[in-house]
Amino acid sequence: SQQGEEDPQALSIQEGENATMNCSYKTSINNLQWYRQNSGRGLVHLILIRSNEREKHSGRLRVTLDTSKKSSSLLITASRAADTASYFCATDRNNAGNMLTFGGGTRLMVKP
Amino acid sequence: DAGVTQSPTHLIKTRGQQVTLRCSPKSGHDTVSWYQQALGQGPQFIFQYYEEEERQRGNFPDRFSGHQFPNYSSELNVNALLLGDSALYLCASSSPWDGYEKLFFGSGTQLSVL
Repeated sequence: SQQGEEDPQALSIQEGENATMNCSYKTSINNLQWYRQNSGRGLVHLILIRSNEREKHSGRLRVTLDTSKKSSSLLITASRAADTASYFCATDRNNAGNMLTFGGGTRLMVKP
Repeated sequence: DAGVTQSPTHLIKTRGQQVTLRCSPKSGHDTVSWYQQALGQGPQFIFQYYEEEERQRGNFPDRFSGHQFPNYSSELNVNALLLGDSALYLCASSSPWDGYEKLFFGSGTQLSVL
């Protein structure tokens, strides 16, 4: 079963616009991570936010975490065509990277 | 510095056959995890190997087994293949240097069961 559920399932925007993806999860977590996957191949780690953090930035990425609502959002600012990919949230319940539980992903298309 | 490498890239098998997939972790990484990703879905955790032993296992039947070698490389074996085993199989490695929190993924093996 999948812990996280992303919303929306698919998103299409123009280059330069911002993209926001949301993730909800069911159980308590130690950290939440976002990964990107191009064309159904390997996943690339983007950012990790711990349960005691509320917001984190990395370049054009901004992640928020609301543990009371069991939800997180990923914002990509000033999107580029190269950002076209699937984005997955993953929760780590035991803080040792032992068993990440992934959501179903958001498929983002950025049109040039 | 080579990242996580997986072989083969693609594989076609028939129902009932057995398959072995291979993974070499990123340099300096000692833990290997395997994930199954069905088309259009997120990856699902199969199991994780550390110090040549299975440390954690997801909700997969015993037909799925693995091994880790002294050089930290790993194999995933699937016996008695079913049509539903068709998926992208991803290997990921992690390092003690960042608390094993971040996973580095290989490009995967696309398995088709006919």
